[in-house]
Amino acid sequence: EDKVVQSPLSLVVHEGDTVTLNCSYEVTNFRSLLWYKQEKKAPTFLFMLTSSGIEKKSGRLSSILDKKELFSILNITATQTGDSAVYLCAVSASSASKIIFGSGTRLSIRP
Amino acid sequence: GAGVSQSPSNKVTEKGKDVELRCDPISGHTALYWYRQSLGQGLEFLIYFQGNSAPDKSGLPSDRFSAERTGGSVSTLTIQRTQQEDSAVYLCASSLVRAREETQYFGPGTRLLVL
Repeated sequence: EDKVVQSPLSLVVHEGDTVTLNCSYEVTNFRSLLWYKQEKKAPTFLFMLTSSGIEKKSGRLSSILDKKELFSILNITATQTGDSAVYLCAVSASSASKIIFGSGTRLSIRP
Repeated sequence: GAGVSQSPSNKVTEKGKDVELRCDPISGHTALYWYRQSLGQGLEFLIYFQGNSAPDKSGLPSDRFSAERTGGSVSTLTIQRTQQEDSAVYLCASSLVRAREETQYFGPGTRLLVL
């Protein structure tokens, strides 16, 4: 059964800290892994990863994929209160017309 | 439009009534997805359209749920004889060409409450 597991489920840190969010997956015919940030209703796209070992960066956020060990991490450096959100990891597979989402990591940044 | 739009934004209905949720994807996006998110839960995939066709309907929770897409654009998700467990936020997303571009752009969602 295809599945995506995120850890930790929730995380509370102080502003300025660095955090690492984890996403592991088991999926047949992996195609891509996506990270989203969800603050209110609609998730917003962060990164799409298809190749192992290539880091993608956007400001203080970065992500990398390990297709051998079947996981990805999302790093946030110098966290700010605006980073508080649920971070969702999703995996798509070429053999199925569906995207599998993890349950998310709820990140809370304390001032 | 500039982004994915959904209507209504909120819907309160009585148990047993039918509801119809609408999604307008980004113009030109051929792929369209419906998800459901119950309170405190992750996203649950419901159905995917490539153009007007839905290759896999197995994600729909029951036969009370149906979806269609016309003209490769607007999609409607219909829930018949609603039950209280149908209460959730229903999210729609679209993407450009699924084979090469996975990035999904989400609409604001429809919050459904079944009393």
